Amino acid sequence: GAVVSQHPSWVICKSGTSVKIECRSLDFQATTMFWYRQFPKQSLMLMATSNEGSKATYEQGVEKDKFLINHASLTLSTLTVTSAHPEDSSFYICSARDLEGGQLDTQYFGPGTRLTVL
Amino acid sequence: GQNIDQPTEMTATEGAIVQINCTYQTSGFNGLFWYQQHAGEAPTFLSYNVLDGLEEKGRFSSFLSRSKGYSYLLLKELQMKDSASYLCAVMDSNYQLIWGAGTKLIIKP
Repeated sequence: GAVVSQHPSWVICKSGTSVKIECRSLDFQATTMFWYRQFPKQSLMLMATSNEGSKATYEQGVEKDKFLINHASLTLSTLTVTSAHPEDSSFYICSARDLEGGQLDTQYFGPGTRLTVL
Repeated sequence: GQNIDQPTEMTATEGAIVQINCTYQTSGFNGLFWYQQHAGEAPTFLSYNVLDGLEEKGRFSSFLSRSKGYSYLLLKELQMKDSASYLCAVMDSNYQLIWGAGTKLIIKP
């Protein structure tokens, strides 16, 4: 099956610093990648949809200047949490959609990145 | 608005069968997904239904009724490793996934 990797797996940073999270599709090309955030005991919350070569589409309530998304290639999307604060501490998960020959397939999830802001 | 409902928590016994229900109201429908998520890990894909009926895959089966806006995930021969959260998600007319809050399944020996 399709594999999506994320790096780093976990990160601890000081308040006010920026953190970059990478999401890669390893064995397929992903024209669309999704970034989710999940707080403890809650469901996944979609933050933004990232399309290769264009600007990301952010969900309502998600600050695009704080959560910078770049999808520069068909296999890589990055999420940068700028000026992180303790309330940004969460589990960040990316997923990628594999479109083959116009056939819609499922989303494949990366393993997630646990961010702790001190 | 769009809404996915599933029970918050269920408990079952090892070796038994459990059915996790999901009802949905969405703007359009392009399929329903079930994912398994162990604590501290990302979700893993279990099943996808886009037509009415039952899809069987080993110990897991998923059922869909589009007219009723209803699906269930059936787990047979439960094992301790099946203890996890099970997420129901519907793909709407914009091909966006709308997520339920998840059902935490506790398996007891």
